[in-house]
Amino acid sequence: DIQMTQSPSILSASVGDRVTITCRASQTINNWLAWYQQKPGKAPNLLIYKTSNLESGVPSRFSGSGSGTEFTLTISSLQPDDFATYFCQQYNNYPWTFGQGTKVEIK
Amino acid sequence: QVQLQESGPGLVKPSETLSLTCTVSGGSINTDFWSWIRQPPGKGLECIGYIYYSGSTNYNPSLKSRVTMSVDTSKNQFSLKLSSVTAADTAVYYCARQNRGGSFDSWGHGSLVTVSS
Repeated sequence: DIQMTQSPSILSASVGDRVTITCRASQTINNWLAWYQQKPGKAPNLLIYKTSNLESGVPSRFSGSGSGTEFTLTISSLQPDDFATYFCQQYNNYPWTFGQGTKVEIK
Repeated sequence: QVQLQESGPGLVKPSETLSLTCTVSGGSINTDFWSWIRQPPGKGLECIGYIYYSGSTNYNPSLKSRVTMSVDTSKNQFSLKLSSVTAADTAVYYCARQNRGGSFDSWGHGSLVTVSS
C-alpha cells in the first residue's frame, strides 16, 4: 500500500493566517491526490481533487499544489469555519489510502 | 445533489457478521462507483472497497477475505457485509460516491458500529 504522511499533525493558527499542510506519498502518485476537511462528528468533505482542482462550492481561499510525491494544501486566509482536521488521500493505486490527518486549531 | 444514508445495527457481537446498507437518493446508482470507508474512533480513514452498479467489486486486500459488497439497483442501494468481526472492527462506517478516478465527493453521515459482547 502507498503510505501517505502529513505534516504537521497539529497546527495552531489565528484567523487571517496563511496555512500550509504538506502530504508526502511513499511513491509517485501521478497527481491523483485529494484533500478533505472533517469536523467533529461529521463526514469528510471534499475540498480538492487531482492535486489542484477546487471542488464545486469550496471557497477559493483553499488551493492545492504539488507533484510526484509531495503535495500541499494552502488556506490563504484562515477563517473561523476552517478550524477542523484535514486529510489527504491518494487514488493512484488501490487500496486508496489517507494521511493520518492534520488538526488545525485556534492559537 | 446526491445524498447517501447508512443503515444497520449499531452493535455486533464478536465473530458475527456486520451488515450495513447505503441508500442513495437524489440520483441514480447506475453511474459511478460506490464505496465503503471506515474510521475507528479518534483515528484515520480506511477504504474497505467499492462496487460498480454492474456488481463488479474491488476490495482492500487487508480485508478481502472477510468483505462482501452487493448492489440492488431497483432500490438504489448498495450493501456491505464484514464477517468474523473483532473489537478492531469498531468504527464509524461511511458510504460514499467515488468520482473522478477515486476521490469521494458525496458521503453518508456515518454509522457507528461497535463490536462487543
